[in-house]
Amino acid sequence: AQTVTQSQPEMSVQEAETVTLSCTYDTSENNYYLFWYKQPPSRQMILVIRQEAYKQQNATENRFSVNFQKAAKSFSLKISDSQLGDTAMYFCAFDGGTSYGKLTFGQGTILTVHP
Amino acid sequence: DTEVTQTPKHLVMGMTNKKSLKCEQHMGHRAMYWYKQKAKKPPELMFVYSYEKLSINESVPSRFSPECPNSSLLNLHLHALQPEDSALYLCASSQQGLETQYFGPGTRLLVL
Repeated sequence: AQTVTQSQPEMSVQEAETVTLSCTYDTSENNYYLFWYKQPPSRQMILVIRQEAYKQQNATENRFSVNFQKAAKSFSLKISDSQLGDTAMYFCAFDGGTSYGKLTFGQGTILTVHP
Repeated sequence: DTEVTQTPKHLVMGMTNKKSLKCEQHMGHRAMYWYKQKAKKPPELMFVYSYEKLSINESVPSRFSPECPNSSLLNLHLHALQPEDSALYLCASSQQGLETQYFGPGTRLLVL
């Protein structure tokens, strides 16, 4: 069974600074996807970024980028130029192999951006 | 358009009531999901429909009954719920498995 671990229950950052959220996972599969989802206080879950395991290049979406280390099974999210609207719960998630179509979520990291 | 809609937004029900949650997507996705989420916790998968057939049931109590009338619509029928069933119920859809899941805003359910 796959597991996803987010070791930082809460983090805070000043506006305009950079913050990195950690995620590690455990799987024996070779073909899988990794995701970061954001859930603001309004509670709608929004996709932040997606990484296919077969791609060596790290995914980037505007201010959001990942550091995907396949051998180390690590998938961290970097948020640059943090904005107040980035305040949310962030979930790392895994989809692949025998859990095809079944997302495995980490416990989440609450990120607070301070003005 | 990556919109998944859910109705109602809020629902309060007694333990003897019968109610239904509705989820709709018009993205042509063939997989749809129901999740239950408690406060400050990750979503827990309940059911997966693939091509309108139930493909995963995560040992959910029978007081929750899913239905997929067509490829765009997913219902969750509720009957004889318990107070511990109070939670945010999220619907999601994806093109198929191993693709990005898009979530709806959820229905916040309170069972009295």
